[in-house]
Amino acid sequence: EPEVTQTPSHQVTQMGQEVILRCVPISNHLYFYWYRQILGQKVEFLVSFYNNEISEKSEIFDDQFSVERPDGSNFTLKIRSTKLEDSAMYFCASSLTSGRIMDTQYFGPGTRLTVL
Amino acid sequence: DQQVKQNSPSLSVQEGRISILNCDYTNSMFDYFLWYKKYPAEGPTFLISISSIKDKNEDGRFTVFLNKSAKHLSLHIVPSQPGDSAVYFCAASRSPNAGGTSYGKLTFGQGTILTVHP
Repeated sequence: EPEVTQTPSHQVTQMGQEVILRCVPISNHLYFYWYRQILGQKVEFLVSFYNNEISEKSEIFDDQFSVERPDGSNFTLKIRSTKLEDSAMYFCASSLTSGRIMDTQYFGPGTRLTVL
Repeated sequence: DQQVKQNSPSLSVQEGRISILNCDYTNSMFDYFLWYKKYPAEGPTFLISISSIKDKNEDGRFTVFLNKSAKHLSLHIVPSQPGDSAVYFCAASRSPNAGGTSYGKLTFGQGTILTVHP
């Protein structure tokens, strides 16, 4: 069964460093998402991406964050200058369709980001 | 953001019995609802969904009920099995034809830890 994959599974970085989290969505899916879950808190939406541009972003997704689909398979989340409060599990998700017809989002296993 | 709430942080059930997990929402523009199961160190796994045009959807042991007037949904698991022990999240979404600009953004509840005892 196709699945969303994410690398690395765990990333440790120093405050102020740049990190890139990688995701390979399900191959025929068209919509891509990033969510995060800070320890003990809800899963929160960060950004959705379709047709090589951001469709929607949350207030969390400030100028320090960016997303990119550099080739036909990868979908990346970049944090330019990490802060302690960026420590969280980051989940990538993809769906076949969105918009007028809601479709199920399938999630990857997550990347645990630890900012020291 | 309290638009989706799961008021029970945990639920303990005997194997073979029914598990009922509850979820309330406040945003009347939500028109699509999903339940996900999550094990530690894994991503959320889709279980079952329901559109606001329905009030019930069934898939094997899992049934989701939607009460739009009460803004309440519930997930029933019958019979419960020890392998069902996990964190269960409800999530809600609003499609653009519901008047929003959302492109599938999911709003999650806090989760309920289900423990099924043998």
